Amino acid sequence: EVQLVESGGGLVQPGGSLRLSCGASGFTFRSFEMNWVRQAPGKGLEWVSYISSSGSTIYYADSVKGRFTISRDNAKNSLYLQMNSLRAEDTAVYYCARVRHSTSSDWFDPWGQGTLVTVSS
Amino acid sequence: QSVLTQPPSVSAAPGQKVTISCSGSSSNIGNNYVSWYQQLPGTAPKLLIFENNKRPSGIPDRFSGSKSGTSATLGITGLQTGDEADYYCGTWDSSLSGWVFGGGTKLTVL
Repeated sequence: EVQLVESGGGLVQPGGSLRLSCGASGFTFRSFEMNWVRQAPGKGLEWVSYISSSGSTIYYADSVKGRFTISRDNAKNSLYLQMNSLRAEDTAVYYCARVRHSTSSDWFDPWGQGTLVTVSS
Repeated sequence: QSVLTQPPSVSAAPGQKVTISCSGSSSNIGNNYVSWYQQLPGTAPKLLIFENNKRPSGIPDRFSGSKSGTSATLGITGLQTGDEADYYCGTWDSSLSGWVFGGGTKLTVL
């Protein structure tokens, strides 16, 4: 069974740091691109970051650029999100999601169960 | 404000049909495929439709997708109470070099 399990969320003060992890199982992790997507309480989905299968190509949403760093360890079947200079507006459930491809299309499947990050003093 | 525009809510009676629209621009929907995600209360999003109109295995044919120009539509027929959820459209935005989602539509089955 393909599975993604996030961890590392919690309560952090404004300006603080947190590192999220996403463990993958049931598929060849090193062959797939990955994303982080977040959802603030009661709000919609917001794409955060993308990383290619090798880690050589990375994209960020403008809202997190310069503060967040996405990375992966294919030997450990794990995806990471290092979050620095956290702000109250970063409070959200963070999901990792696998990218599926056709020749001209991408989509996210599956998604992990999410981990809650709360930024508050 | 989301880059893709969806109605905040739709409702219909059990057994009826509903459509959810998703409006964008040439930099996103107009030149890229659209996918749709269902988020049941308290759960993670789940893929419902990919490549505008294709269903993953396990998704019933009551769910359908279409795209025309810079807009996409999700259709659900034979509504069931278990379909009550938030529905999101998503696609790549070439101008932003990132993925964009609609604001989500809450479906109520009356």
